[in-house]
Amino acid sequence: QQPVQSPQAVILREGEDAVINCSSSKALYSVHWYRQKHGEAPVFLMILLKGGEQKGHEKISASFNEKKQQSSLYLTASQLSYSGTYFCGTEMWGAQKLVFGQGTRLTINP
Amino acid sequence: DGGITQSPKYLFRKEGQNVTLSCEQNLNHDAMYWYRQDPGQGLRLIYYSQIVNDFQKGDIAEGYSVSREKKESFPLTVTSAQKNPTAFYLCASSIIGTASTEAFFGQGTRLTVV
Repeated sequence: QQPVQSPQAVILREGEDAVINCSSSKALYSVHWYRQKHGEAPVFLMILLKGGEQKGHEKISASFNEKKQQSSLYLTASQLSYSGTYFCGTEMWGAQKLVFGQGTRLTINP
Repeated sequence: DGGITQSPKYLFRKEGQNVTLSCEQNLNHDAMYWYRQDPGQGLRLIYYSQIVNDFQKGDIAEGYSVSREKKESFPLTVTSAQKNPTAFYLCASSIIGTASTEAFFGQGTRLTVV
């Protein structure tokens, strides 16, 4: 039931863009995105609830394609502070539990 | 300040001993979760609870037990039946309502079994 994230790891230079994908084999009610720095708790970024919904502000945004059961996180003009591991969390219809993907490690170099 | 507190931050135990990890929240959240984190495997759900005195198994519940006697507390016991208990354990909580809401995480407990 774990969603699948891709890629597993990304290395960028500061200012470059990145896309992280999350897909599920089950029909989804919502998709969450979190970022975790090493040894710290995950920090909430955003929730997407509706099919086709796109959220975010400025340089971090996300989309949710309900029909394809996929979500993508877009990081534009990346900053050093964006480094960390990004997790998508999914909730299925009728099941109020949050299940996370395996994570995508993002490294931003100067 | 409202939040979710896990204790202790680091825990060492001998193999074969049971150990209990504490998780307390003062956010008045209904739902609470326990996740296990191993390198390269993301966050795997152990147990979750949506209401006092009720909880459900997650994907990797074998070797673990929980209780939910109070709304604000959701302790996790790692039993001697857990084959490989060394890991980083995260507790989270969220509101239950008509729409999905964000989960708040504690700072985690790093358990090492020797």
